[in-house]
Amino acid sequence: NAGVTQTPKFRVLKTGQSMTLLCAQDMNHEYMYWYRQDPGMGLRLIHYSVGEGTTAKGEVPDGYNVSRLKKQNFLLGLESAAPSQTSVYFCASSYAPDPGTGNSPLHFGNGTRLTVT
Amino acid sequence: AQSVTQLDSHVSVSEGTPVLLRCNYSSSYSPSLFWYVQHPNKGLQLLLKYTSAATLVKGINGFEAEFKKSETSFHLTKPSAHMSDAAEYFCVVSASNTGKLIFGQGTTLQVKP
Repeated sequence: NAGVTQTPKFRVLKTGQSMTLLCAQDMNHEYMYWYRQDPGMGLRLIHYSVGEGTTAKGEVPDGYNVSRLKKQNFLLGLESAAPSQTSVYFCASSYAPDPGTGNSPLHFGNGTRLTVT
Repeated sequence: AQSVTQLDSHVSVSEGTPVLLRCNYSSSYSPSLFWYVQHPNKGLQLLLKYTSAATLVKGINGFEAEFKKSETSFHLTKPSAHMSDAAEYFCVVSASNTGKLIFGQGTTLQVKP
């Protein structure tokens, strides 16, 4: 069972370049998320999706775009990379919240380490 | 609005001694609360979740957490630390079943031999 798979694991970009991070999950989860992790700041939500064809902004959406064309995939795009976007990016997925037990736990990928020079 | 504060950025214990990682939360609604662990160069793994069914929640690897509404706390404990427990721990809060989770800044647990 693969769970949540992120591609690529590492990437180095020059300022102004663009790239797309791919997240795939095989658990039939409705919800998918993109977080960035920076030292001393925990994880901050960039964008999320509550189902195929939907996206929504999180805490730090500027400079990023996302798409959820298929239920199992959630793409994160950087149109014009900046050094401030150097970070570790995590994708996560979960079932939709349950009225009885609240939010479902997140399942995380192993992260993508992005450096922008 | 909801928020979460982990009171210690770094905790150091000796192997075999108790672990206490502190977390306070703020929420306008009845919250969902989680603890996650992250080992180096890995994604986050769920340790335990508070679902309102019981205030004392048991998780994996001997960890447990107690929900105290009066103190707005959800501290993580373990009776006896193991070297493999060395990692970063995140307290997470959500409210109103939105699916949006708010992460604390993380606590790095060091376990000394």
